[in-house]
Amino acid sequence: TAGITQAPTSQILAAGRSMTLRCTQDMRHNAMYWYRQDLGLGLRLIHYSNTAGTTGKGEVPDGYSVSRANTDDFPLTLASAVPSQTSVYFCATSEVGAESNEQFFGPGTRLTVL
Amino acid sequence: GQNIDQPTEMTATEGAIVQINCTYQTSGFNGLFWYQQHAGEAPTFLSYNVLDGLEEKGRFSSFLSRSKGYSYLLLKELQMKDSASYLCASMDSNYQLIWGAGTKLIIKP
Repeated sequence: TAGITQAPTSQILAAGRSMTLRCTQDMRHNAMYWYRQDLGLGLRLIHYSNTAGTTGKGEVPDGYSVSRANTDDFPLTLASAVPSQTSVYFCATSEVGAESNEQFFGPGTRLTVL
Repeated sequence: GQNIDQPTEMTATEGAIVQINCTYQTSGFNGLFWYQQHAGEAPTFLSYNVLDGLEEKGRFSSFLSRSKGYSYLLLKELQMKDSASYLCASMDSNYQLIWGAGTKLIIKP
C-alpha cells in the first residue's frame, strides 16, 4: 500500500526559483499537513487543511502556499525560494475525529536552496 | 507561549531500560503523542495519552500527568534497533501538534 507519497525525494534549487512539492495520499484522510524539520528544532507546521477546499496557516507559513482541490492531493509551493527554506519537508495526514488523532507521515522531501 | 521540552540526547545500554521525559505547555490540551524517527526517515507513531496514567504497549510504555504537564516514554529491554530520535508532541486546543525538538537515543552494546 502506498499510504502517503511525496515527490521529489530530494531537490537542489537555485534561490529565486519556484518549486512545488507534491503530496498524495490514498488513505482518504480528511486532514493534511505540511511540516518542515530543521536540525535542533521540532517539526514546525507550515500549512494545513482540515478538509478538501479549505486551508489554514501554521506556525511558519511565510514564503509558502498550498491548495487542496481534492481529498488526496496537497501540494506545497515555494514562489521564490530562499536559502533559509533549505530543510526536510514532511507531508502528513490524519482523520480528524478519530480516537487517537494520529498523524501519518510521508517519506519526506529534502530541499536545498543555494 | 507554547513549549515542549525534552532532553537533546540520551545514552543507554542494550538490554537495559530508559525513560525519556517531556514537559509541555500548550494552549489547551487534546493529548500527548510520542513518535519514533530513525535517521533519514519519517516519524512513526508510538503512543497517545489523553488521560492520566500509564499506557503499555509491548516494550514501550507512555505516562501522562496533565496536572504537571509531564509525560515520559519508557523503553524496556533495549535493542540496537531502538537507536533513533523520540519526538514528544502535544495537541493544542486547535487540534494542532506542537513538537519538541526530539531526544536522540544512542544504544551501546
